[in-house]
Amino acid sequence: ILNVEQSPQSLHVQEGDSTNFTCSFPSSNFYALHWYRWETAKSPEALFVMTLNGDEKKKGRISATLNTKEGYSYLYIKGSQPEDSATYLCALRVGSSNTGKLIFGQGTTLQVKP
Amino acid sequence: GAVVSQHPSWVICKSGTSVKIECRSLDFQATTMFWYRQFPKQSLMLMATSNEGSKATYEQGVEKDKFLINHASLTLSTLTVTSAHPEDSSFYICSASVGGKSSQPQHFGDGTRLSIL
Repeated sequence: ILNVEQSPQSLHVQEGDSTNFTCSFPSSNFYALHWYRWETAKSPEALFVMTLNGDEKKKGRISATLNTKEGYSYLYIKGSQPEDSATYLCALRVGSSNTGKLIFGQGTTLQVKP
Repeated sequence: GAVVSQHPSWVICKSGTSVKIECRSLDFQATTMFWYRQFPKQSLMLMATSNEGSKATYEQGVEKDKFLINHASLTLSTLTVTSAHPEDSSFYICSASVGGKSSQPQHFGDGTRLSIL
């Protein structure tokens, strides 16, 4: 069973700071890596789905990279804003069909202070 | 697009009660939906995969008779916690994806907070 680790568990930054989180995993035996943003009282929102080693994705001030050989993915937030405060979840998709399931990490909770 | 609606958001009930949670895909068809559970300070854990028109696939350690899943249509899956007890108190959330490719993200409901007294 794949174990997905996220670090740090929580993070407090000042508005304007750039930050990054790590998602690590022991094996490349998965079909995709997902990042989600989960704000309080809302549903998790998909940020990125990455499938290939070396993948880099960007959405506004948020970007992510994937290194399957060394077993990690980084999520970067440039110039953090208070509205970026949320829990960021990393998950591995195992199974290539529509029945493939997600194995989640515990998440990194980001608090951006104005 | 790709909106998943989950009801109810909160449930508080007495021990021994059965509780039904609904998960609907509002603007797409979902042949497969997923049910997750999250205990405090733990990660989302898959309980079962709900398949339209067939039996659900349960993860190891999840009691089939305890957590009944019905996926009667392409837009609705239900999870029934039968004879709920305090240890079933948790956060339950469903998801579905559009299409069958592994590159597609999951779309989640808002979740249901279940408290059994």
